[in-house]
Amino acid sequence: KNEVEQSPQNLTAQEGEFITINCSYSVGISALHWLQQHPGGGIVSLFMLSSGKKKHGRLIATINIQEKHSSLHITASHPRDSAVYICAVKTSGSRLTFGEGTQLTVNP
Amino acid sequence: DTEVTQTPKHLVMGMTNKKSLKCEQHMGHRAMYWYKQKAKKPPELMFVYSYEKLSINESVPSRFSPECPNSSLLNLHLHALQPEDSALYLCASSQWGTGGAEGYTFGSGTRLTVV
Repeated sequence: KNEVEQSPQNLTAQEGEFITINCSYSVGISALHWLQQHPGGGIVSLFMLSSGKKKHGRLIATINIQEKHSSLHITASHPRDSAVYICAVKTSGSRLTFGEGTQLTVNP
Repeated sequence: DTEVTQTPKHLVMGMTNKKSLKCEQHMGHRAMYWYKQKAKKPPELMFVYSYEKLSINESVPSRFSPECPNSSLLNLHLHALQPEDSALYLCASSQWGTGGAEGYTFGSGTRLTVV
């Protein structure tokens, strides 16, 4: 069993829909990251969370430390949001453990 | 400057070639990382440098040789690679340790093809 599990693996939505991607982890962490990767491209860090909730534009990330669970929400989704979204947790030192990623496709 | 710059963006090399990947950041981050990413898989950690010293080597074959000449630069020297080493190589940087308030900054990667 992976230390970081994401769901769903693949997600297809219509433009304008509200999207939720989930991440569960089984280890002690100091922080959780949500990352975005476009096809063939580098990785962009969206959020770093250690508690509560953060919002940036149409993106919202929440974390529940007791339940070891985080969610990434996208409101009013747009085709340009199509990408792989990766959850990664920071364990010892500066090591990151990655989930397998969620491939999001938003159709116009 | 809030970027990690990687060069080259694409590299094709033969199995007998020697080449180097370069990574540069000017954010004052004292931790720098090399990751390898195969298609449709998450990144795999290869090396971590903290304060210009190698702190983690994830049992990477010796045909990959990292170097950190100063706090802003990170190189990955490649020699006698195999076709299965073809992948996207990502560099990242961060503040060191658990107390850093900043996250990680990733470069856009070098797409390496070994022929």
